[in-house]
Amino acid sequence: GAGVSQSPRYKVAKRGQDVALRCDPISGHVSLFWYQQALGQGPEFLTYFQNEAQLDKSGLPSDRFFAERPEGSVSTLKIQRTQQEDSAVYLCASSLNSATDTQYFGPGTRLTVL
Amino acid sequence: QQQVKQSPQSLIVQKGGIPIINCAYENTAFDYFPWYQQFPGKGPALLIAIRPDVSEKKEGRFTISFNKSAKQFSLHIMDSQPGDSATYFCAASAEGGGSEKLVFGKGTKLTVNP
Repeated sequence: GAGVSQSPRYKVAKRGQDVALRCDPISGHVSLFWYQQALGQGPEFLTYFQNEAQLDKSGLPSDRFFAERPEGSVSTLKIQRTQQEDSAVYLCASSLNSATDTQYFGPGTRLTVL
Repeated sequence: QQQVKQSPQSLIVQKGGIPIINCAYENTAFDYFPWYQQFPGKGPALLIAIRPDVSEKKEGRFTISFNKSAKQFSLHIMDSQPGDSATYFCAASAEGGGSEKLVFGKGTKLTVNP
């Protein structure tokens, strides 16, 4: 595909369940980012990969959040023991190389924790 | 600490009007300032971006004005159309330093009435 794709688009989880969100970046893009967007707010940075290396995970809110990109392409964001405050849209973005290359965003996964 | 402050929170203009959205930043290491447009249910899409070596950049109906000394930048939309109704986010990033993340403002919901 031509753009960043994310799956699932919508996820409903019961409090305490584990969830896994997938991101397929644009082919050949070195950099991959995860952001969390609460309702009515701007996206907030979670973590950043350059190829398979996770260079910055300073935005992950707790140790319940884990991200990986084992082959430098597809990435998965995993949230363990979900809480109601985890409800948000999770956005993935990729860029060709550096931050000053355009970051292209996927449509996001809307997570609702009941 | 909010590193990028955006105003107003919402804005209503008539078709043909010139909405102006303002942002201020604190981190003098920021050297890349993009504006993103987001429609409901979609991911943010890059509109236009500027670096601090220029004071203005224009692309089509969209113009960024940048004031480095005041640490402020703004988006002007000329001849606004109902199709411009969306949420607009300013952002900033600093190249290098190991993290390529975008820091976003909280967004401005623009409504252009026909």
